[in-house]
Amino acid sequence: GAGVSQTPSNKVTEKGKYVELRCDPISGHTALYWYRQSLGQGPEFLIYFQGTGAADDSGLPNDRFFAVRPEGSVSTLKIQRTERGDSAVYLCASSLAGGTGETQYFGPGTRLLVL
Amino acid sequence: RKEVEQDPGPFNVPEGATVAFNCTYSNSASQSFFWYRQDCRKEPKLLMSVYSSGNEDGRFTAQLNRASQYISLLIRDSKLSDSATYLCVVNFNYGGATNKLIFGTGTLLAVQP
Repeated sequence: GAGVSQTPSNKVTEKGKYVELRCDPISGHTALYWYRQSLGQGPEFLIYFQGTGAADDSGLPNDRFFAVRPEGSVSTLKIQRTERGDSAVYLCASSLAGGTGETQYFGPGTRLLVL
Repeated sequence: RKEVEQDPGPFNVPEGATVAFNCTYSNSASQSFFWYRQDCRKEPKLLMSVYSSGNEDGRFTAQLNRASQYISLLIRDSKLSDSATYLCVVNFNYGGATNKLIFGTGTLLAVQP
């Protein structure tokens, strides 16, 4: 079956602009996660959705970052007033129900470059 | 101190060698443990879960020591195709409020012909 998909695969933008990154989880997965991976680092947790609600947004670095999942499926990560330090790979993952030890399946990521 | 620490490497080993990766984690409340594999410019993929009793999957053996907060991965008879970054991962799930993965920086393995 289809895995997690993310669009766009690459995004180049200018400092100060607004960007939206989209994630399509595996069909039927209620849990959805966003992570950010900088060069030479492991992925860092940003936010976790259970259904439509953000169960944990403690990883969002500041109020320029916001994510939604209005119908409990597709999610959009929104970044306002982008800064050069936001450049990274943004990874989305999903799991069946958000249970402990469940496998999280990752999408290919969106590579964001802020000039 | 990082929550999950591992040697970034690189580990350069010849084909057929045995190589071991180690990792430590700081939060004793961590509940689940994994090794993920990440190929260059690709997404992380689950390699195996890690249990206190130790578990083996073909050439790969993982071990967890909860008392020492230490996780290991052993790869026997290394293949060229094993070349990748290996990420040590722990999972927190506090009463269902969160289920986030905490990743180490990864250890780069390069298997040489």
